Amino acid sequence: DTAVSQTPKYLVTQMGNDKSIKCEQNLGHDTMYWYKQDSKKFLKIMFSYNNKELIINETVPNRFSPKSPDKAHLNLHINSLELGDSAVYFCASSQEGSALGTDTQYFGPGTRLTVL
Amino acid sequence: DAKTTQPTSMDCAEGRAANLPCNHSTISGNEYVYWYRQIHSQGPQYIIHGLKNNETNEMASLIITEDRKSSTLILPHATLRDTAVYYCIVRPYSGTYKYIFGTGTRLKVLA
Repeated sequence: DTAVSQTPKYLVTQMGNDKSIKCEQNLGHDTMYWYKQDSKKFLKIMFSYNNKELIINETVPNRFSPKSPDKAHLNLHINSLELGDSAVYFCASSQEGSALGTDTQYFGPGTRLTVL
Repeated sequence: DAKTTQPTSMDCAEGRAANLPCNHSTISGNEYVYWYRQIHSQGPQYIIHGLKNNETNEMASLIITEDRKSSTLILPHATLRDTAVYYCIVRPYSGTYKYIFGTGTRLKVLA
């Protein structure tokens, strides 16, 4: 069974559209993340949710809105897509609050977003 | 900014040990060193982590210097499937749950 899954795997869309990426984890973790990896391969955290509460919100345009309906899901909605949003988006999860330093993150396979 | 520095790339012969260095000279006393790798645009994969003692698991060994300012990830018998970008991360201990990925080391295992 896939531990962290994302849909869709590929997303091609026009500028100005609104799109969503879904993430689900079946590991029973209480913390989930969204990362963006741009064309230069830099991997940067965007958001983190712990028990459905936003705990990390990096400098991300407010066109990006994460939503966590429950602990196992963290979706990413993007409004008014721009060319610069083209990237691979990775979802991850971990179990915070366990023994110090053991919050291993498990990543999904990524969603490649292309904005035309 | 990432708190670690790593060589941009390395080559290793298949079957030989791959030793990947990482410098983290500003690490503080309660920060852990984590290693992840990313194989060809897949999601990053956890390898190993440590605080100050050397660690070993089924994937790799982690050697941390006594002053904790640097570490080395060792893949004892590299295979072609170990070709990947390897990230050394020092995790801030502030409750912000944030990992900061640097540029990593691109390891190429040669047949």
